[in-house]
Formats: sequence, structure tokens, C-alpha cells
Amino acid sequence: AQSVTQLDSQVPVFEEAPVELRCNYSSSVSVYLFWYVQYPNQGLQLLLKYLSGSTLVKGINGFEAEFNKSQTSFHLRKPSVHISDTAEYFCAVSDVQGGKLIFGQGTELSVKP
Amino acid sequence: GAVVSQHPSRVICKSGTSVKIECRSLDFQATTMFWYRQFPKKSLMLMATSNEGSKATYEQGVEKDKFLINHASLTLSTLTVTSAHPEDSSFYICSVQGDLTGELFFGEGSRLTVL
Repeated sequence: AQSVTQLDSQVPVFEEAPVELRCNYSSSVSVYLFWYVQYPNQGLQLLLKYLSGSTLVKGINGFEAEFNKSQTSFHLRKPSVHISDTAEYFCAVSDVQGGKLIFGQGTELSVKP
Repeated sequence: GAVVSQHPSRVICKSGTSVKIECRSLDFQATTMFWYRQFPKKSLMLMATSNEGSKATYEQGVEKDKFLINHASLTLSTLTVTSAHPEDSSFYICSVQGDLTGELFFGEGSRLTVL
């Protein structure tokens, strides 16, 4: 079975500063990795995903994430955040055999002016 | 990706009544849909997997008779919260599995408030 740990429940940051949201996973098999964003009172929207190939994945809204197999991590980064990036971010994992998507606990990103 | 729509987005009901939430896949034939529940400031908890034409598969601890799921067509799944109580108040989100990678496409969510 897989599990996902998001190391920070809340990340406050000033506008235009860089940000990193951390995600670690555990699995005995190969996995697919995802980052989703949730704005207040809305469903989840896919930011980016890692399936295979290049370990650096670029997503929407200027976000990117790097898959590190040795450290079992998939941290999300953005070089310069905007107020509009304030939201809840979820890391998720599924196994390559078609298993269910397992979510981390979420990280609340709060961008301040 | 698939476009998923939920209705209603918000519903308030009295304790003891039943509430039905619809989840529609607008441009994708979904054999499998998932229903999640989300408490404030919490992650998503998978409630059940909805399978078209067959019974739903419920996660451990989820009451089947309490949360009735029907997946009658490839574009519609419904969640009925029966005899609702205030502790059933939550944000319910449905999703459609796009492909075998596990990627999900989510509806907008439905906020249920039971008075």
C-alpha cells in the first residue's frame, strides 16, 4: 500500500517570494505522483503529474515538481508566488498497476502582500 | 481531461431527511467514479468507488445504508445521504478516473449542511 506525507500543514509566504511545498511518499511498487490545488469551496484541479521520463515536471500556473526516487519525494516549487496562489495543495500517489489515488494531508499556502 | 459537474453545490436540510447529490461526467464515459468526503482543514477521505451497472464498493467504516450510491449510466452517479444528521455535514466531492494512471478529474463539490 502507498502513503503520502506532506510535511507542512501551513506555509505562509510573501508575494513574489519562492516557495516549496514538501511531499514524501512510501510504496513498495512504482508509482505515479500528482499535485492538486483546491481553492475555497471548490473541487480539486490538477497542477501537474509525474508518470515516467524526466524527473522535473512542469505544470500550470508556473509550478513545477521534481521526482526524487532515492529520497521518495515529489516537492512542489514556484519561483515567485502571487496572491492568487493562496489555496490548499494536495500531493497524491497511485501505483502503476492502477490503484486508487491516495492523498496527503494537504498544505495550506497563504501568500501575503 | 474530463469535465465533471456536481449538483447541488450547496444544500441545507433538516435532520432526518434525505439528500441526493448528483455527479455528471459531461464529456467522458465514466465506468468508475469516486466519492470523497472532506472535513474542514482536512484531506479527502475516499468513501466509495461507484461502478457503472453494479454495486458500489465502500471503504472501511463507511455505512452503506447511510450513503447510498447509484451509478446507473456512464455519465451519472448519485450519492444519497439518508436520514441525515448534523454530523453528516461536510463537503462531498465526486471524481472521474481518466485513465489507468489513477489521475482523477473532480467535480466542484457539494457542501451539505444538516440542521
